[in-house]
Amino acid sequence: QVQLVQSGAEVKEPGASVKVSCEASGYTFATNAIHWVRQAPGQRLEWMGWINPDTGNTKYSQKLQGRVTISGDTSATTTYMELSSLRSEDTAVYFCARGVDYYDSGGYYYYYGMDVWGQGTAVTVSS
Amino acid sequence: QSVLTQPPSVSGTPGQRVAISCSGSSANIRRRTVNWYQQLPGTAPKLLIYSNNKRPSGVPDRFSGSRSGTSPSLAISGLQSGDEADYYCEAWDDSLNGPVFGGGTKLTVL
Repeated sequence: QVQLVQSGAEVKEPGASVKVSCEASGYTFATNAIHWVRQAPGQRLEWMGWINPDTGNTKYSQKLQGRVTISGDTSATTTYMELSSLRSEDTAVYFCARGVDYYDSGGYYYYYGMDVWGQGTAVTVSS
Repeated sequence: QSVLTQPPSVSGTPGQRVAISCSGSSANIRRRTVNWYQQLPGTAPKLLIYSNNKRPSGVPDRFSGSRSGTSPSLAISGLQSGDEADYYCEAWDDSLNGPVFGGGTKLTVL
């Protein structure tokens, strides 16, 4: 079945970096974008960025631009999210999710949401 | 950063129908379709409705999405205790070139 499996929980000190992996299976990896979304305790879902696994193109949220890097390994059907210069406000559960989208012949982009999610990875930033 | 606005909570008794609204801006909801997610406690979100009113395979028809003009909403009929969860709306934002989420609505089944 289609699934995304993430790496395990992490505890990091302020100023460090964390790298979370997301392994896809059950579908053709290159055909769907992978988004990263995080959720701080008691807070809303926050989009972090996405990667097109086929081209390697990425787009990041303005808030995290400069601190977040999303990469992919098509041979391993795995996507990675690295967040640097960690601070206490980065304590959250981090999710990867498969995006469903479509470009029509005129180049208009249709977005249909995230239909498969990883189980989440808890990242705690504490000294 | 653009965000969408939802009521923080709704409640209902078993068997009742409830509705959750979502509002945004011209960069997102007013020009784009809306998706809805259900997040049960301690789990990842689950896509419940996409493209305003379409249900993925396996989602019961008790869950429905609608849109009146630029005002989308999620309706849940025949409430069950297992429906207690947080519900999020989401839409693509053309100014951010990424999706934005609502603040979430906590559903309590009394």
